[in-house]
Amino acid sequence: DVKVTQSSRYLVKRTGEKVFLECVQDMDHENMFWYRQDPGLGLRLIYFSYDVKMKEKGDIPEGYSVSREKKERFSLILESASTNQTSMYLCASSNQLGTSGNWAPKNIQYFGAGTRLSVL
Amino acid sequence: QQQVKQSPQSLIVQKGGISIINCAYENTAFDYFPWYQQFPGKGPALLIAIRPDVSEKKEGRFTISFNKSAKQFSLHIMDSQPGDSATYFCAAPGGSNYKLTFGKGTLLTVNP
Repeated sequence: DVKVTQSSRYLVKRTGEKVFLECVQDMDHENMFWYRQDPGLGLRLIYFSYDVKMKEKGDIPEGYSVSREKKERFSLILESASTNQTSMYLCASSNQLGTSGNWAPKNIQYFGAGTRLSVL
Repeated sequence: QQQVKQSPQSLIVQKGGISIINCAYENTAFDYFPWYQQFPGKGPALLIAIRPDVSEKKEGRFTISFNKSAKQFSLHIMDSQPGDSATYFCAAPGGSNYKLTFGKGTLLTVNP
């Protein structure tokens, strides 16, 4: 069964702290994603990685960085947390190659349970 | 950059009724169009997905209708149940690198 695990369900941090959010997937997926989810704004892509040590900025990368040293693990880093980064953070992964055939669903993403981060 | 518009924002349906959520996208795409279901405090879970060369996909009470020429697709939930109460997101292939662009979500409430 598909499994994406986020290390914390709830986190409370102080303004200015460095925050690490960890995500691990056990599906051998090439792609991994970090989103933040806010009421009325839906899911917004922060960063994306399509291979180990490779990353691409999403729609809202400012104030965040990422690290992917191993295929199964993708970390989101808030260098200096601010109150406007209080949000629900979601990690997802997808299979780049898919199964056989032209219509293999290679863009289907599988999500973790989320980390609700509060920055005080 | 793919754009997705989802409506309505919220929907209230009586038990046994039909729930319909609509999405429209801008850029032609050749990957799957998925729908996700999210319960409070949980991450989105894949509900059903359709490939753009078919017009309809049905799984149990859930059906996706896809209109490629109009660039629209919709989710129909037949015989809606209180347990279906959740937020539903549509998504469209976002272009390069296997990205998805999500709609802003629809909060569905099914009254008993």
